[in-house]
Amino acid sequence: QKEVEQDPGPLSVPEGAIVSLNCTYSNSAFQYFMWYRQYSRKGPELLMYTYSSGNKEDGRFTAQVDKSSKYISLFIRDSQPSDSATYLCAMMRNTNAGKSTFGDGTTLTVKP
Amino acid sequence: ETGVTQTPRHLVMGMTNKKSLKCEQHLGHNAMYWYKQSAKKPLELMFVYSLEERVENNSVPSRFSPECPNSSHLFLHLHTLQPEDSALYLCASSRIAGASETQYFGPGTRLLVL
Repeated sequence: QKEVEQDPGPLSVPEGAIVSLNCTYSNSAFQYFMWYRQYSRKGPELLMYTYSSGNKEDGRFTAQVDKSSKYISLFIRDSQPSDSATYLCAMMRNTNAGKSTFGDGTTLTVKP
Repeated sequence: ETGVTQTPRHLVMGMTNKKSLKCEQHLGHNAMYWYKQSAKKPLELMFVYSLEERVENNSVPSRFSPECPNSSHLFLHLHTLQPEDSALYLCASSRIAGASETQYFGPGTRLLVL
């Protein structure tokens, strides 16, 4: 079993929709949770970073972590065509010297 | 240039060739990373360097050989690769190799092994 499972997608939504991207994990030692966005032919860029359980909001993006359920989500409000990309969840233990474990990625297309 | 740059952006090589991938970061960071991204598989960490010392080697075959001559440059030397090594190779850097540090990625080198 993979340590991190990500909803596979692909996901296609109309412009303005609310998007929910989700990952589950099996290792309770994960303390840091990240969401990356990767456009075609580019490297991943960090979108959201959270430590432990709770919500974090940044503009149209909200990251949610539920450690009791080992479940994390990224919500995108008022989605735009420019949000079309692959979204990767990633997690890290406290002692891991920069070693992140990534999900497979979910490809999102927002149609105008 | 700013951020993390990688050259070449595309590379085609035969199984008997030797080639090198180059990464340069202009962020003043002290940690650098090599990742492999294959289709339909999660991003895999290959190597981590902190202050030019290798601190992580993720069971990578010896046909991949990293080199970090200084904190701004990272190389991945390739020899006798296999077709299954075809992938996007991403370099990243962070201020230090720590759990709470943001990693900044380069655009990647897309490698095709024939």
